[in-house]
Formats: sequence, structure tokens, C-alpha cells
Amino acid sequence: AQSVTQPDIHITVSEGASLELRCNYSYGATPYLFWYVQSPGQGLQLLLKYFSGDTLVQGIKGFEAEFKRSQSSFNLRKPSVHWSDAAEYFCAVGPNNNDMRFGAGTRLTVKP
Amino acid sequence: EAGVAQSPRYKIIEKRQSVAFWCNPISGHATLYWYQQILGQGPKLLIQFQNNGVVDDSQLPKDRFSAERLKGVDSTLKIQPAKLEDSAVYLCASSPRTNEQFFGPGTRLTVL
Repeated sequence: AQSVTQPDIHITVSEGASLELRCNYSYGATPYLFWYVQSPGQGLQLLLKYFSGDTLVQGIKGFEAEFKRSQSSFNLRKPSVHWSDAAEYFCAVGPNNNDMRFGAGTRLTVKP
Repeated sequence: EAGVAQSPRYKIIEKRQSVAFWCNPISGHATLYWYQQILGQGPKLLIQFQNNGVVDDSQLPKDRFSAERLKGVDSTLKIQPAKLEDSAVYLCASSPRTNEQFFGPGTRLTVL
């Protein structure tokens, strides 16, 4: 069965600092992996996805993620966080674009 | 391009009452999804439509939840009767065939 674990419920970083959000997955084959962002009162927006090829994936808003098969991880990173990045971040895994299982999310707070 | 539209944005009802949510997907998107997002959790897929046919409704509580997608465009999700544990945000998403999902802003349901 597929599942996603986001170990950090809440993370606080200072504006301008680097960010890494963790995501671990359980899946029987090479999965499709996604990161979504949800701002308050908004729907989810896709930041990036991986399904094959280069294991370092570039996304929108300056985010990137690295697929590490040996660690079953797909961590999201950003070198310098902006106040507008404060939101809820969800990692998801699935066999394709249509059948995703979401993690519980990590809430990001950005300190001035 | 207009996004996924949902209404109402907020709804408060008493337990045992009925409620319906409406979703208008992005024009031309064949696939439509309904998700339930309980506070503190990631979205959970309730039902997936391909045009006006159901692809996956394995996680839809069919004793109280129903959904339809007439003419393969708009969709409604109904709960009858509602329970306290149905309090959640109900998200609608749509996608072109086998491609990225685009999410609406959601309907926040509170059951008292």
C-alpha cells in the first residue's frame, strides 16, 4: 500500500533562511511524487513533480526537490525563504497523476 | 483561463441535515475529483469521474455521500444526513486526461 509521511507538523524559519521540508514514502514501485502548497483559503497548487529522469527536480517559486530512492525520500528545499512562502505544504505519492495519496502536511511559518 | 470554481465557500449545518456542494471544472478537463480534507490532515480522495462516468469511488461513504457529474461538466457532491465527523474542507479538482490536477478553493463545511 502506498503512504506518505511528513515528519514535521510545523516548521518556523526566518525570512532569508534556507528551508527543507521532509517527505518519506512507502510504495512498491517507482512512484509519481508531488509537492503541493496550500495558502489559507486557497486550493492546492502544484509546486513540482517527479516520475522519472533527473532526481533533482526544479519547480515554481524557486523550490526544488530531490528524489532519493535508497532513502524513500522526496524532500523539498528552497535556498532563501520569503514571507509569502508561509503556507501548508503537502507531499503526495501515486502510480500516476490521477491517484495520489497525500501526507498530513507541514505548516511553514516565516519570521520577519 | 478560469480556474476550478466551487460554491458555496462556507456552509454551516446541524447534524442530520443535508448539504450539497457544486463544482465547475476548468473547461475541457475530462477528469474531475472530489477530496475531503479534515483539519490537520491531507486531502483524501472521495470520488473520481472521467467525463460523466465514475472511475474510483472506493473511499466514498456511500450510505450518506453521493456525487454526480451530469453531462460530463459540472458536478455536485451531497451529504445526507450529515454527521459531526463530516466537518471538513471539500476540494474539487480537475485535470486534462492523465495530467496535472488543478484544485478549486474548497468548501468549508461545519456540522454542529
